[in-house]
Amino acid sequence: DGGITQSPKYLFRKEGQNVTLSCEQNLNHDAMYWYRQDPGQGLRLIYYSQIVNDFQKGDIAEGYSVSREKKESFPLTVTSAQKNPTAFYLCASSTTGSTDTQYFGPGTRLTVL
Amino acid sequence: RKEVEQDPGPFNVPEGATVAFNCTYSNSASQSFFWYRQDCRKEPKLLMSVYSSGNEDGRFTAQLNRASQYISLLIRDSKLSDSATYLCVVSPFSGYSTLTFGKGTMLLVSP
Repeated sequence: DGGITQSPKYLFRKEGQNVTLSCEQNLNHDAMYWYRQDPGQGLRLIYYSQIVNDFQKGDIAEGYSVSREKKESFPLTVTSAQKNPTAFYLCASSTTGSTDTQYFGPGTRLTVL
Repeated sequence: RKEVEQDPGPFNVPEGATVAFNCTYSNSASQSFFWYRQDCRKEPKLLMSVYSSGNEDGRFTAQLNRASQYISLLIRDSKLSDSATYLCVVSPFSGYSTLTFGKGTMLLVSP
């Protein structure tokens, strides 16, 4: 089945640790995105990538890093520099520019202990 | 003014009722509009795109009013399964632009 997968579903991190969230898609989409959602808040864009080996910062990139070495994969690293990392992280993809419909993975819920 | 504004609700309606949500956006250059549905602790899923002429998909009707910069979603004959948060999503067209999400309107349909 085509779709977007994210792993793990739940992740617990100690303060000071870096963690990497996985996002894989087999939809042959060029563009991929990472969002963060906090309770009662809208989705906020962290990073996005329109093409392999290229990515841009979104609205809240500080404390995060990404890579796009393969079309199918767009992992997000939450670094220790991110002061408030507990949130629901959503990965999405779309065919070309982001005016096209974005399809979301099931998300990763990160909790800092 | 926030970029995309929605009434957070919740809207409590009985089964079979008709309910409507509005969403206002601040960027007059916005070109693409969507409604997404998000169930509790799940990912958003596309409900429908919103076209200038308005569009309908079964019990759901979306309208766009560019002059007043708002979009609407009408749900007829509400079902229990319609209970969810409905996200208004807007995109300005400037090449590779990004989507702006509203915070969502919560709908609770009761028996």
